[in-house]
Amino acid sequence: GAVVSQHPSRVICKSGTSVKIECRSLDFQATTMFWYRQFPKQSLMLMATSNEGSKATYEQGVEKDKFLINHASLTLSTLTVTSAHPEDSSFYICSAPGTGMSSGNTIYFGEGSWLTVV
Amino acid sequence: DAKTTQPPSMDCAEGRAANLPCNHSTISGNEYVYWYRQIHSQGPQYIIHGLKNNETNEMASLIITEDRKSSTLILPHATLRDTAVYYCIVKKTGNQFYFGTGTSLTVIP
Repeated sequence: GAVVSQHPSRVICKSGTSVKIECRSLDFQATTMFWYRQFPKQSLMLMATSNEGSKATYEQGVEKDKFLINHASLTLSTLTVTSAHPEDSSFYICSAPGTGMSSGNTIYFGEGSWLTVV
Repeated sequence: DAKTTQPPSMDCAEGRAANLPCNHSTISGNEYVYWYRQIHSQGPQYIIHGLKNNETNEMASLIITEDRKSSTLILPHATLRDTAVYYCIVKKTGNQFYFGTGTSLTVIP
C-alpha cells in the first residue's frame, strides 16, 4: 500500500538553530500534505496544510515564520523549525492523501519525527 | 468538521472482541467516519473508514448507526499488539484531520 516516509526519525538540536524535517510520499504523488504536532500524552494537532507549488495554509495560532513549510515537488514536503526553543520539542507527523475521491480516500501518515531542542 | 466523543480508556481480554464506541451526533451527510490507531511513539495507522454502510476489512469492522450519529469499531479477536490509542475522526471533503482525544485500549492477557 501507499507509504509516507519521514526523515529524520529523531533529531536533537541546539536552542536557536533551525532543523528541517522531510516528508515523502512513496509510490504516489501528493499535491497536499499535512503537518501535525503531538506533545506527550496529548492528541495530534493539525499545524498546516502543505500545498505543492504554492504557499502553505496554517492553522490558527501556528506561527508561519517559525514553522516554514515547502512543498517543492509532488512527493516531498519539508517542515523547518526556525530558531528552535525547548518548547518546540515535540513529535512532528505528516500525512498525505491517497488517490481517489477526496471525500472518502485513505489518508496515510508518516512514522513521525521526534524533535528535542536542548 | 463534526466533533467526536470517545471514552478515554477501555480494557479488553486477549482473544475477545474489542468494541470501541464513538459518538458523532453533529455529523453531516457528506462526512466520512475514519478510524486510526496510534501505538506509542509511532505515526497513526489507518484502520477503516465509511460513510453510512457498515464496512469490514482484514483489520476490523465498522458499524455505523442508521442515523449516522454514532459508530462502533470492532476488533474481532484482540491481541496484545492491538493495545493502542484509537481515534475516531469525522472528515469532510478536505484531507486534513482534527483529532479528538481518542480511546486508550489495553488488551489484557
